Amino acid sequence: KAGVTQTPRYLIKTRGQQVTLSCSPISGHRSVSWYQQTPGQGLQFLFEYFSETQRNKGNFPGRFSGRQFSNSRSEMNVSTLELGDSALYLCASSLVIEGNTEAFFGQGTRLTVV
Amino acid sequence: AQSVTQPDIHITVSEGASLELRCNYSYGATPYLFWYVQSPGQGLQLLLKYFSGDTLVQGIKGFEAEFKRSQSSFNLRKPSVHWSDAAEYFCAVEVTFGTGTKLQVIP
Repeated sequence: KAGVTQTPRYLIKTRGQQVTLSCSPISGHRSVSWYQQTPGQGLQFLFEYFSETQRNKGNFPGRFSGRQFSNSRSEMNVSTLELGDSALYLCASSLVIEGNTEAFFGQGTRLTVV
Repeated sequence: AQSVTQPDIHITVSEGASLELRCNYSYGATPYLFWYVQSPGQGLQLLLKYFSGDTLVQGIKGFEAEFKRSQSSFNLRKPSVHWSDAAEYFCAVEVTFGTGTKLQVIP
């Protein structure tokens, strides 16, 4: 079956703009998590959605938001982009939200803010 | 709060040598532990996971990890490293990831 699909793969935006990233989970998976990966900070958890509800949230400013649709697809939005938002944004899907289920990652969206 | 520490940022080993990547965690209960690998230009791939039971966990690609509750550790091991193992390795406690260890393999 198809894996986790993230679009677009690459994106260049200017400071002050906003951006929307998309994640389509594995068919049947209901939990979607988002992560930011940067060389300096490593992998950081952004938020997790399950059944269209945000269940967990990491320590990021309100400029970072997300949502999940009824088909479990998820979008992440970053408003008023800053240079420091340049990163690889990874999405992961899992069957359920409990910790004892494995997550499957997409290849990520590389966002560059100039 | 959960935390995961991977004390080695970068490790270099010779092909054929054994490997151990360290991971220590802080968590209030029995954790769900994972090791992931990220190869250049690739997404994260799950190597192995521990939920309960046998503390020695076998994963893919010849990797194994041992959960030691007394030491709050979940170190990843491989008896003989291959050049294709060069990648970045992440230890995770549920949704909390360590900062990763970059593995370089030299001939």
